[in-house]
Amino acid sequence: KAGVTQTPRYLIKTRGQQVTLSCSPISGHRSVSWYQQTPGQGLQFLFEYFSETQRNKGNFPGRFSGRQFSNSRSEMNVSTLELGDSALYLCASSPGTGYSNEQFFGPGTRLTVL
Amino acid sequence: DAKTTQPPSMDCAEGRAANLPCNHSTISGNEYVYWYRQIHSQGPQYIIHGLKNNETNEMASLIITEDRKSSTLILPHATLRDTAVYYCAWDSNYQLIWGAGTKLIIKP
Repeated sequence: KAGVTQTPRYLIKTRGQQVTLSCSPISGHRSVSWYQQTPGQGLQFLFEYFSETQRNKGNFPGRFSGRQFSNSRSEMNVSTLELGDSALYLCASSPGTGYSNEQFFGPGTRLTVL
Repeated sequence: DAKTTQPPSMDCAEGRAANLPCNHSTISGNEYVYWYRQIHSQGPQYIIHGLKNNETNEMASLIITEDRKSSTLILPHATLRDTAVYYCAWDSNYQLIWGAGTKLIIKP
């Protein structure tokens, strides 16, 4: 099975712009989660989607949004970029059902905001 | 407030067992504990998970205390390729709550 893929792998934007990141989960997985990783804050949960519905959202401003499509692919969007949004954005997929939540991660998108 | 704590760094001699502790004192009864590792800012790699009983797979063993407030990841015969940042996390309401990670350095 192919793993989780994320595009693009690297991105450079300037303050005030917006950005859209894409994630394709492992085939058959219906849950997609997004995380932000920075040296200062570590791994922080952004949101989780299952069958096109957001089931949970982390403590991030409304500039961060996401969605999931019927084929389970997911996108996240950050509007009005700030310097502090520079981070590694990680997507993870899991079956989304059952008691455990074993997640498999993609390689991440490295976003740099200038 | 949900909290997961790990020591920031540890050393281990090559060929010896590496024991990485994690404290997850606010975990509740039906929330799983997960361990991942991350090398060179790649995506975290899943290692193992468990609920109450000790678990073992081809990569590692997981020991969870009876009160479930802490756990230990054991790499039985550490190699240089096991040098990485190891994260403990637990699952609450569809999100993983992460520790800050332990940088494990394997020394020859």
